[in-house]
Amino acid sequence: LAKTTQPISMDSYEGQEVNITCSHNNIATNDYITWYQQFPSQGPRFIIQGYKTKVTNEVASLFIPADRKSSTLSLPRVSLSDTAVYYCLVGDMDSGGYQKVTFGTGTKLQVIP
Amino acid sequence: NAGVMQNPRHLVRRRGQEARLRCSPMKGHSHVYWYRQLPEEGLKFMVYLQKENIIDESGMPKERFSAEFPKEGPSILRIQQVVRGDSAAYFCASSPPGRFGQETQYFGPGTRLLVL
Repeated sequence: LAKTTQPISMDSYEGQEVNITCSHNNIATNDYITWYQQFPSQGPRFIIQGYKTKVTNEVASLFIPADRKSSTLSLPRVSLSDTAVYYCLVGDMDSGGYQKVTFGTGTKLQVIP
Repeated sequence: NAGVMQNPRHLVRRRGQEARLRCSPMKGHSHVYWYRQLPEEGLKFMVYLQKENIIDESGMPKERFSAEFPKEGPSILRIQQVVRGDSAAYFCASSPPGRFGQETQYFGPGTRLLVL
């Protein structure tokens, strides 16, 4: 299983850009990197997924260096409603071709007014 | 397109009773996953099912826990003879079929089980 390591917590002021980095040194060739967001008492919500280089959507950007041993989730101009736990996941592929994801403890982001 | 639905949202059971948790995947999704989350911890994979098949149950406790995903109807996670340590949030996720498995998983709101 590809293990991920992220900071336990981060604080940021409203309006700032937040970058959360995740390490996944033993990522496999077929693995994709996925980030989820979880609010208290809710299920995780998909944010963004990528394989290499840079991916951007309406919510965030994901930067993946060439060696793919880490990735950085970038949230532009955070607001109070972005306070949540952010999980970095690396898909674990088996011969059946399904993604058995492994959740770590995530990064608890606290946005301060 | 309705999201993943789980019910009940909250379930209280006394020790020794049975708990049945239901999950209806998103329309068109044939893969269902169950996770358990203890307070202040990440989600832990329990089981992965396709219609009428258990594909991977490596995260399920060996006793008292079972899961099914029948041809018709929701997926059921069943916990027999519950103990206090079973108290947790149980999340279901679904994904569409796909060869290489990088499909996004869509999560339900969870069922919070409290064992008294």
